[in-house]
Amino acid sequence: ETGVTQTPRHLVMGMTNKKSLKCEQHLGHNAMYWYKQSAKKPLELMFVYNFKEQTENNSVPSRFSPECPNSSHLFLHLHTLQPEDSALYLCASSQETVGETQYFGPGTRLLVL
Amino acid sequence: AQKVTQAQTEISVVEKEDVTLDCVYETRDTTYYLFWYKQPPSGELVFLIRRNSFDEQNEISGRYSWNFQKSTSSFNFTITASQVVDSAVYFCALMDSNYQLIWGAGTKLIIKP
Repeated sequence: ETGVTQTPRHLVMGMTNKKSLKCEQHLGHNAMYWYKQSAKKPLELMFVYNFKEQTENNSVPSRFSPECPNSSHLFLHLHTLQPEDSALYLCASSQETVGETQYFGPGTRLLVL
Repeated sequence: AQKVTQAQTEISVVEKEDVTLDCVYETRDTTYYLFWYKQPPSGELVFLIRRNSFDEQNEISGRYSWNFQKSTSSFNFTITASQVVDSAVYFCALMDSNYQLIWGAGTKLIIKP
């Protein structure tokens, strides 16, 4: 595997379900990111991890819970989501956080029913 | 305030035509970075170019070229001899001293055969 991978690619869940999104980067980077992309809205940064430490949480509701066990893996745990949380969730990584290019995975298309 | 404006919501051209995507940014920082990404229908954001604020040289990469003009705070992207595979949404983004990416709304480019 190369670059940034995300699983699953598509996910449908009910509002009472618990699911997790997984991201893995094979680039040797130290920073990882979660973004949300909703229709007709700019990309929204959700979380930033640098050397496994969370450095940014952009007022994301607690029903989204990130986890970064090491610099190569990033998870987004989902529980009791709302229909408005339906979106494309993109993971990205970069060598460092300052001034570096972010490389993105293919995203997970999430539909909350 | 930092801001990126992509005024063209959608552009449609016939294959082999040249097309320019506009990007205008606002920042008070003297050090910043500008990016272009391509998002095909599959969803993945593909990195195209990164420019820092001290490098105003125009860049050409195959059929792609970028015109960075600090005097007008613009970083425009031109595709020469467009192809159907160029059809995608293109995003311009600004990274300033806060290291977060500020995204434009994107321009949907449709290349008709």
